[in-house]
Parts: sequence; C-alpha cells; structure tokens
Amino acid sequence: DIQMTQSPSSLSASVGDRVTIACRASHNISSSLKSYLNWYQQKPGKAPKVLISGASTLQSGVPSRFSGNGYNTDFNLTIGSLQPEDAATYYCQQSYSIPRTFGQGSEVKIK
Amino acid sequence: QVQLQESGPGLVKPSQTLSLTCSVSGGSISSGTYSWNWIRQSAGQGLEWLGRIYATGNTNYNSSLKSRVSISVDASKNQFSLKLTSVTAADTAVYYCAREEFTYGHSFDYWGPGTLVTVSS
Repeated sequence: DIQMTQSPSSLSASVGDRVTIACRASHNISSSLKSYLNWYQQKPGKAPKVLISGASTLQSGVPSRFSGNGYNTDFNLTIGSLQPEDAATYYCQQSYSIPRTFGQGSEVKIK
Repeated sequence: QVQLQESGPGLVKPSQTLSLTCSVSGGSISSGTYSWNWIRQSAGQGLEWLGRIYATGNTNYNSSLKSRVSISVDASKNQFSLKLTSVTAADTAVYYCAREEFTYGHSFDYWGPGTLVTVSS
C-alpha cells in the first residue's frame, strides 16, 4: 500500500497569511507527466470536498487562493491568503494504485 | 447535479453484518466512466477507503479488511451497497459513499453526507 504522510498535522495562522501543507507519498505516484494526487477539505460534520485533482487542477467553484503542485512523491497545497472560512481539515489522497489511501489530515485553525 | 445518499441501520451488534445502501440521483450509475466507492471515518480519525464497484459489477477491495467486505450494484435502482461481516467495535465509523471520476486526477468528486454506524450490543 502507498502511505501518505502530511505535515504539519495542525497549524494556526492569521487571516491573510499564506499557508502551505505538505504531502509525501511512500512511492512515486506520477507517470507520463500526470500525478495521481488529490486534495480535500473537510469541515466538522460534513463530507470531504475535493479542492484539487491531478496535483494541480482546481475544481470548479473552488476559490483561486487554493493551489497545488508537486510530482513523484512530494506535493503541496497552498492557501494564498487564508480566509476565516478556510478553517478545516485538509487531506491528500493518492489515486495511483489500489487501495486508495489518504494522508492523516492537517487541521488549519484561524488565530 | 449528482447526489448520493447513504441509508441503513445506525446500530449493529458485534459479530453481525453491517449493510448500507447508497442511492444515486441526478445521473445514471451506468453512464460515464466512474467507480462507486465506500469510504469510512472513525471518530477523530482519518479516512479509510473500503472498496469500489463499477457499473459492470467489477470490484476492488481494501485487503486490510481481510475479505469481510463486499460491494454490489443494482443499476435498475441506481444504487450500490456495502456489506461488512463479523463487525467489531473497531468498525464503528461514519460511512460515506462516493463517486470516483477518471477524467482529471481520479478524485472522489461527489460524496454522500455520511451515515454513522455504531457497533454495540
């Protein structure tokens, strides 16, 4: 199984700050210039919502302050200017192989 | 707009079988290139993928569940179902059904709201 490791597990930042969450896969999850890495946002009591797929493709309706990058085993999710509504837990997930696996989550809190 | 909705008992006794159904609306479960998935989340824990099924009936499962899991599809009802046998307290979780798309990054693009299943006598 491919293990996904996120850092940090939790962070606290101010409105307007730039925030970056890292995700590392235990094996290469990229091939032919495509990366099989997705990012989700989950708020308490709600299902996860996909923000970014293919490492860098922003989903429809997701604010442009969210961005993703990375290749092979190392990926990042960046919130360009943190907003109060971004308080949530963020998960990375690999779709390169079965079983699909998720990172342990990174909780973003607003100071 | 595609919508998914989980249904089934919220309480299951230890050693019994957990059964859940996911009803899909706003689109046919048989159209497009998608898989239909079950994912669970224990209290305060992360997300665990349980398995998936295609409209053809082909399945993949998480081997960590040691053959306790099975997923079936009923295209005529636009539903797919999960069975998890020999449950223990460790199977207490919120269970989600989700659609996986294969156009972009193979992401889970639609989710049900989730249903809490408690395993207790």
